[in-house]
Amino acid sequence: RKEVEQDPGPFNVPEGATVAFNCTYSNSASQSFFWYRQDCRKEPKLLMSVYSSGNEDGRFTAQLNRASQYISLLIRDSKLSDSATYLCVVIYNTNAGKSTFGDGTTLTVKP
Amino acid sequence: NAGVTQTPKFQVLKTGQSMTLQCAQDMNHNSMYWYRQDPGMGLRLIYYSASEGTTDKGEVPNGYNVSRLNKREFSLRLESAAPSQTSVYFCASSQGLGASSYEQYFGPGTRLTVT
Repeated sequence: RKEVEQDPGPFNVPEGATVAFNCTYSNSASQSFFWYRQDCRKEPKLLMSVYSSGNEDGRFTAQLNRASQYISLLIRDSKLSDSATYLCVVIYNTNAGKSTFGDGTTLTVKP
Repeated sequence: NAGVTQTPKFQVLKTGQSMTLQCAQDMNHNSMYWYRQDPGMGLRLIYYSASEGTTDKGEVPNGYNVSRLNKREFSLRLESAAPSQTSVYFCASSQGLGASSYEQYFGPGTRLTVT
């Protein structure tokens, strides 16, 4: 079993839809969590950090569920420009920041 | 600020050749990372360096060596390239040294083909 797992999709949604991605992790000692966005195999770019209390940035909401060991990303009112691959990453702070990425979930937003 | 820079952007090698991928960051970050990304897959950690003078193996270190030359620079060396090392290589850096400081910032990548 992979340490970090994501549903690869693809998710095909119409503009304006709400879409949610989950990412599960197996190491309960994991301490930091992030969502990244990657366009057409360019470099990943940080989308948002994920905190235990949940956090929101405009149309994006990230949540962490430590008991069930997953993080989620919710995108409301999808735009064409949201089409990309979304990667979750888990960091093990006790090991000087060693990180594990999921394989990514592909989102296509259609007009 | 250039952020994280990588050279070269593209490279074609023959099996058995060697080369070094260069990475530099100007954000005064402590930690640096090398990843590879194969088609349809996520990023896999090759090596990382928590701070200047230290390096550690990641998930897929075989066939690679690294050098943390100074705080700014972290290089990745392929001693004898193999077709299985055809991939896109990304370097990243993060502030490190704190639970809120592990956000990673990536360079543009090096696209390597080994024939």
